[in-house]
Amino acid sequence: SQTIHQWPATLVQPVGSPLSLECTVEGTSNPNLYWYRQAAGRGLQLLFYSVGIGQISSEVPQNLSASRPQDRQFILSSKKLLLSDSGFYLCAGTNLFGNTIYFGEGSWLTVV
Amino acid sequence: GQQLNQSPQSMFIQEGEDVSMNCTSSSIFNTWLWYKQDPGEGPVLLIALYKAGELTSNGRLTAQFGITRKDSFLNISASIPSDVGIYFCAGQLLPQGGSEKLVFGKGTKLTVNP
Repeated sequence: SQTIHQWPATLVQPVGSPLSLECTVEGTSNPNLYWYRQAAGRGLQLLFYSVGIGQISSEVPQNLSASRPQDRQFILSSKKLLLSDSGFYLCAGTNLFGNTIYFGEGSWLTVV
Repeated sequence: GQQLNQSPQSMFIQEGEDVSMNCTSSSIFNTWLWYKQDPGEGPVLLIALYKAGELTSNGRLTAQFGITRKDSFLNISASIPSDVGIYFCAGQLLPQGGSEKLVFGKGTKLTVNP
C-alpha cells in the first residue's frame, strides 16, 4: 500500500534562515505530488503540485519553492523564511490509479 | 474556482449519538473523499466515493456520493471518544491535463463528550 513520509516532523527556524522539507512516497510510481499548508488546524491551502520529475506548478505567490528531483521525492524550500511561513505543512500524493490522494504525517514549522 | 461548503463547522455530541455532516458544491465532481485529521497529524482517508449515488460503509462510518455529483454526506453511528477530530470532505475533478487536484471543505470539528 502507498505510504508518504515527510520530515522533519517539527522545525524551529529563525527568520531569514533557509528551509528544506522533504517528502518521499512508497508503494506507487509516477504519482502526482502536492504540498499543502494548514493554519490553525483548519483549512488546507494548496501550495504546489507536481505531475512529474522537474514539473512544478505553484498555486499561490509566496516565499516558498518546490522541487521534484526524483519520481517519488518532493521538496519544499525557502531561501529566507518569514514569520508568516509558520504553519503545518502536509505532503500528499496520488495512489496507483490516480483517483485517491494520501497525506504524509505533517511537518510543524515555527519561524521565530 | 470550485468551492465546497462543509457543514456544520463544529459539533458537540454525547458518546453514543449519531453524527451527520455534509458537503455541497456548485461544481460537479468525479470523486468525493472524506478524511479525518487528529491534532498534529496528517489527514487520514476514511472513505472514497467514485460513482454518483454510491453508498459506502467503513465500520461505523457511512458516506454517500450524491446523485447530482454536487454533494456528499458522512454519517458516524454510535460515536465514541476516539471519533474526536476534524473531518474534511474533498472533491476531485479530472480536468484536461490530468492533474488531480482536490478541493477541500473547511472541515467539521467533532467533540465527543464521554
